[in-house]
Amino acid sequence: AQSVAQPEDQVNVAEGNPLTVKCTYSVSGNPYLFWYVQYPNRGLQFLLKYITGDNLVKGSYGFEAEFNKSQTSFHLKKPSALVSDSALYFCAVSPRSNDYKLSFGAGTTVTVRA
Amino acid sequence: EADIYQTPRYLVIGTGKKITLECSQTMGHDKMYWYQQDPGMELHLIHYSYGVNSTEKGDLSSESTVSRIRTEHFPLTLESARPSHTSQYLCASALAGGTGNTQYFGPGTRLTVL
Repeated sequence: AQSVAQPEDQVNVAEGNPLTVKCTYSVSGNPYLFWYVQYPNRGLQFLLKYITGDNLVKGSYGFEAEFNKSQTSFHLKKPSALVSDSALYFCAVSPRSNDYKLSFGAGTTVTVRA
Repeated sequence: EADIYQTPRYLVIGTGKKITLECSQTMGHDKMYWYQQDPGMELHLIHYSYGVNSTEKGDLSSESTVSRIRTEHFPLTLESARPSHTSQYLCASALAGGTGNTQYFGPGTRLTVL
């Protein structure tokens, strides 16, 4: 069975500072990894995914994520956070061998203060 | 934003009423999903479908039922709503096969049962 851990319920940063949201995963075999963002009263929006190849994945709104196989991690990063990045972020995983269902983490609330 | 729609966006209803939450997508996706999410909390998969006339129960037991008569339509029904059903319901769809099961989400239906 696959699972995702997001060890921080909340992340608080000042605008302009780097933002990191942590994610570790457990899956049989090689994974597909995803990040989604959710704004209040909205559905989830896809940010980026790792399939294969370059361990650094670039996504929407200036976000990127680094896949680290040895540490089974897929941390989300943004070099300079904006107040508008304040939202709930979800990491998700599925095994490549059976990718019909995603397992989501519990979510991390990001607050960027002006 | 993905082309996946949910109606109604908000619903307040009394105990015992029958309700149907609508979900439709215009992307021709084979896979569709229903998640239940309390505000700001993790997602729980309650139903999914791989195609027409295919439905499966998800990881979280739910009293709701679903149907998939047309590819683009995946409604969720509660025969007798109860206060414990108060939650947000998110619908998602994904293209079968390919590299990674990127799910695209609708805006959600916020259900309140009095």
